[in-house]
Amino acid sequence: KAGVTQTPRYLIKTRGQQVTLSCSPISGHRSVSWYQQTPGQGLQFLFEYFSETQRNKGNFPGRFSGRQFSNSRSEMNVSTLELGDSALYLCASTPDSSSTDTQYFGPGTRLTVL
Amino acid sequence: GESVGLHLPTLSVQEGDNSIINCAYSNSASDYFIWYKQESGKGPQFIIDIRSNMDKRQGQRVTVLLNKTVKHLSLQIAATQPGDSAVYFCAEKIAGNQFYFGTGTSLTVIP
Repeated sequence: KAGVTQTPRYLIKTRGQQVTLSCSPISGHRSVSWYQQTPGQGLQFLFEYFSETQRNKGNFPGRFSGRQFSNSRSEMNVSTLELGDSALYLCASTPDSSSTDTQYFGPGTRLTVL
Repeated sequence: GESVGLHLPTLSVQEGDNSIINCAYSNSASDYFIWYKQESGKGPQFIIDIRSNMDKRQGQRVTVLLNKTVKHLSLQIAATQPGDSAVYFCAEKIAGNQFYFGTGTSLTVIP
């Protein structure tokens, strides 16, 4: 099976712009979670989508949003970019067939905000 | 100005020695835990997991120990190799598929 894929791998934007990141989960996985990773804060949970619905949400401002499509692919959007949004954005997928499903990560999208 | 980042614990071991990486978790109700390895420029890679109804689980060269009394996890790597050099994270399941990650430990293997 192919792993979790994320596009693009690298992105450079300027403050005030918006950005959309894409994630394709492992085939058959129904849950997609997004995390932000920075040297200052480590890995922080953004949100989780299951069956096209946001099921859990972390403590991030409303500028961060996401959605999931019927094929389980997910996108996240960040509007009005700030310098502090520079980070590695990671997507993880889970089968969601049991409470102890393993979460598998993609390679991440490295976002740089100038 | 100076940026403040997480102080990442570090561990240096000689090639061939065993490594032990520790992690304290926060929620006594957490029932599932995962250890991940992250190499530079890559996403976290699953190593081994353990459910709360177990105290120990073994994989290939890796063992995870869970002490629920003191909310402590450890990852033991046998015969550590240069390819094991990476940052290691423990993750505890909070709700749904939301995981809380520890700060990570940077492991360096000295040839």
